[in-house]
Amino acid sequence: NAGVTQTPKFQVLKTGQSMTLQCAQDMNHEYMSWYRQDPGMGLRLIHYSVGAGITDQGEVPNGYNVSRSTTEDFPLRLLSAAPSQTSVYFCASSYSARTGELFFGEGSRLTVL
Amino acid sequence: AQSVAQPEDQVNVAEGNPLTVKCTYSVSGNPYLFWYVQYPNRGLQFLLKYITGDNLVKGSYGFEAEFNKSQTSFHLKKPSALVSDSALYFCAVRDGAGGYNKLIFGAGTRLAVHP
Repeated sequence: NAGVTQTPKFQVLKTGQSMTLQCAQDMNHEYMSWYRQDPGMGLRLIHYSVGAGITDQGEVPNGYNVSRSTTEDFPLRLLSAAPSQTSVYFCASSYSARTGELFFGEGSRLTVL
Repeated sequence: AQSVAQPEDQVNVAEGNPLTVKCTYSVSGNPYLFWYVQYPNRGLQFLLKYITGDNLVKGSYGFEAEFNKSQTSFHLKKPSALVSDSALYFCAVRDGAGGYNKLIFGAGTRLAVHP
């Protein structure tokens, strides 16, 4: 099994550009989520999904959109990138939406100039 | 509101010595507690969790953690550190009283094990 796969691994954007970070899992996990990691701040939850067609906001949702049309995929969209969105983004999933450990992807490093 | 505190930015330990990485938490209900490890340029890997039961939890790579309800702590421990244990460690919590698997992470503690 590939686990949780994120693409791209690295991306440089200019302010105002849009892009999508892709996340796919092949473990038939019910729950998927996006975190951003910033130095000294740990990981902060952006959005999460408890199943296909169901998404909700986390701690820092502004500037990001998500959708979950299939169980496997959970893309994160930046509509108009800002320098404050420079970060490392992690997708994570778990078998159950209510319990269990999270499985993380390798991360996507985004720089907004 | 839920929160996690990792009071040490970095912990330095000599190889072969015991190590402790500290974590305290705040939740309104019963806590679900987790430890994760991150190696350079990698995603986080699950080490262990406490949901209920025995206060001493054993996990991967010889790590264990002790849940202390009165002190609201969940410190990570290992009896004998290895150089390969050097990494960034995150404590995480969620409120076990219903809700979804939304983990709140601490800021992380960098563990450096010296030969």
